[in-house]
Amino acid sequence: EPEVTQTPSHQVTQMGQEVILRCVPISNHLYFYWYRQILGQKVEFLVSFYNNEISEKSEIFDDQFSVERPDGSNFTLKIRSTKLEDSAMYFCAIRTAINYGYTFGSGTRLTVV
Amino acid sequence: GENVEQHPSTLSVQEGDSAVIKCTYSDSASNYFPWYKQELGKGPQLIIDIRSNVGEKKDQRIAVTLNKTAKHFSLHITETQPEDSAVYFCAASDAAAGNTPLVFGKGTRLSVIA
Repeated sequence: EPEVTQTPSHQVTQMGQEVILRCVPISNHLYFYWYRQILGQKVEFLVSFYNNEISEKSEIFDDQFSVERPDGSNFTLKIRSTKLEDSAMYFCAIRTAINYGYTFGSGTRLTVV
Repeated sequence: GENVEQHPSTLSVQEGDSAVIKCTYSDSASNYFPWYKQELGKGPQLIIDIRSNVGEKKDQRIAVTLNKTAKHFSLHITETQPEDSAVYFCAASDAAAGNTPLVFGKGTRLSVIA
């Protein structure tokens, strides 16, 4: 099963600052996702990315969020101006093919103060 | 869109007993139903999944059943051990419909008491 590495594991940022969360899948992959989990709550879908473009996004994924694969390997989530309510665990997930299961990274804990 | 309900929210069992967690889904187009185990401070780890063309799947002490007519699926853990203690999430999606994301239930915190 492919591994997914996320960096940093923990990020503390001031409200209004920009943050970039990174995801590095190890093996070949086609589909990329970002999910978030507010403490004690369920895992929520943010955005899916396929063929170098967003294929679907939730209502959480507003203009403050963006994703890209700048070098064909790393997959990043950017939050332009963080708010207190952005504090959560952010998980990257990948799928190798359309009929394969999802593999999640270990997450980045974002704390906005 | 899809909505997944999960029950119970917490479950305590004695070591060696069985644990059952139940989920219902709303979208009849969903055909892929994974279960994830999440330990403290870690990401969700896939433990078993089932597709809509089968009614039951088993992997050692873990089994999942699916009732498409009633739109519900369940996770069964037999001979529970303390290391089974974690939060378990069910999820659903239409895996063949392009890049449709997983929709998760709210999770069940399982505690296995030694």
